[in-house]
Amino acid sequence: GENVEQHPSTLSVQEGDSAVIKCTYSDSASNYFPWYKQELGKRPQLIIDIRSNVGEKKDQRIAVTLNKTAKHFSLHITETQPEDSAVYFCAASKYLLGNEKLTFGTGTRLTIIP
Amino acid sequence: NAGVMQNPRHLVRRRGQEARLRCSPMKGHSHVYWYRQLPEEGLKFMVYLQKENIIDESGMPKERFSAEFPKEGPSILRIQQVVRGDSAAYFCASSPPRGSGRDKAAGNTIYFGEGSWLTVV
Repeated sequence: GENVEQHPSTLSVQEGDSAVIKCTYSDSASNYFPWYKQELGKRPQLIIDIRSNVGEKKDQRIAVTLNKTAKHFSLHITETQPEDSAVYFCAASKYLLGNEKLTFGTGTRLTIIP
Repeated sequence: NAGVMQNPRHLVRRRGQEARLRCSPMKGHSHVYWYRQLPEEGLKFMVYLQKENIIDESGMPKERFSAEFPKEGPSILRIQQVVRGDSAAYFCASSPPRGSGRDKAAGNTIYFGEGSWLTVV
């Protein structure tokens, strides 16, 4: 089955700097890669996603890049703010290819230092 | 448009009792997923269901755990004879039918409920 690895497990950045979180996946058939943000005691919330036919997607301060050949994808947050502090999870699935469950990475705890 | 509804939000059970967690998917969603999250850990897939069908239960422990999504009513995750190690947050998520127009631009976007926190004492 699919295996998703995520690095780093913890990340601290100064407010205003950029943060990058990286993930790799094992199943070359995976074609959908969402990112979720989870605040303490809350549910995971989708913040951005990308399909395998796209190399990059941006939404304001958040961007995701995908290298299908290398089987890795990354989350980029620019101009970080204190409210960006949370745990971030990457995930992978095979959209429209049968089993569409999401396999999650182990999470990155991002702390923004004021 | 109500989101994914889970209840109870918090549940305390003594060792050996049964826990039943309920999940009502978003309106129009036909796929339900259950994930377990231990403290300070990630989201572990348990089971994927459609109405009256279990699609993938590869993440379910072999004993004591079961799940259903009947034709009518919510999805139920049932844990029999609970042990301390079952203490966790159990998240339900749902997604729309495959290829529905709403998600053609992305993927099988799944939306999570607020979770059910099970504590076994």
